[in-house]
Amino acid sequence: AQSVTQLDSQVPVFEEAPVELRCNYSSSVSVYLFWYVQYPNQGLQLLLKYLSGSTLVKGINGFEAEFNKSQTSFHLRKPSVHISDTAEYFCAVTLMNRDDKIIFGKGTRLHILP
Amino acid sequence: DAGVTQSPTHLIKTRGQQVTLRCSPISGHKSVSWYQQVLGQGPQFIFQYYEKEERGRGNFPDRFSARQFPNYSSELNVNALLLGDSALYLCASSPGLAGGGDTQYFGPGTRLTVL
Repeated sequence: AQSVTQLDSQVPVFEEAPVELRCNYSSSVSVYLFWYVQYPNQGLQLLLKYLSGSTLVKGINGFEAEFNKSQTSFHLRKPSVHISDTAEYFCAVTLMNRDDKIIFGKGTRLHILP
Repeated sequence: DAGVTQSPTHLIKTRGQQVTLRCSPISGHKSVSWYQQVLGQGPQFIFQYYEKEERGRGNFPDRFSARQFPNYSSELNVNALLLGDSALYLCASSPGLAGGGDTQYFGPGTRLTVL
């Protein structure tokens, strides 16, 4: 069965500084990978996803992520964060071409410091 | 187009009661999935329905059930409520199955409190 590990429960970062949120997955077969964001008191919104092709995926709001198959990682990055990026970020995985569910990590809370 | 809608927004029940949560997907989406999100945790998969058929079930007891209607809306039912059922219940819709790589669009959720 697949699983997702988000290594940091909270990440504090100064405004305009770069940030990386880490995600590792475990699966015996090929997977699709996702990053979702949840703003306070709201549902989840897709930031980006990796299905195939280029391992560098660009998403909304200036975020990007890189799929690394050998390290089974899908880390999320942004070169310069803004106060509006304060939110909970979830990495998720599903098995490729399977009638299957999406498994979410426990989330990383991004805290922007002024 | 309207996004995924869920009702009610908030709900307070007592232990042992039953609850029904409702979800309307984005027009044209045939798949609806339900998730439970306990405070401080990621969403946990409960059910996926596609074309009115159950196409996936998470590790939840039989007290949890769901169905999808011909218009693709869905209901989640929870019987014999326990304190531990208190959570945010999220509904997500997608054009196809979640496992096909389709983007899931989430509703705002229903906050269930069990006293």
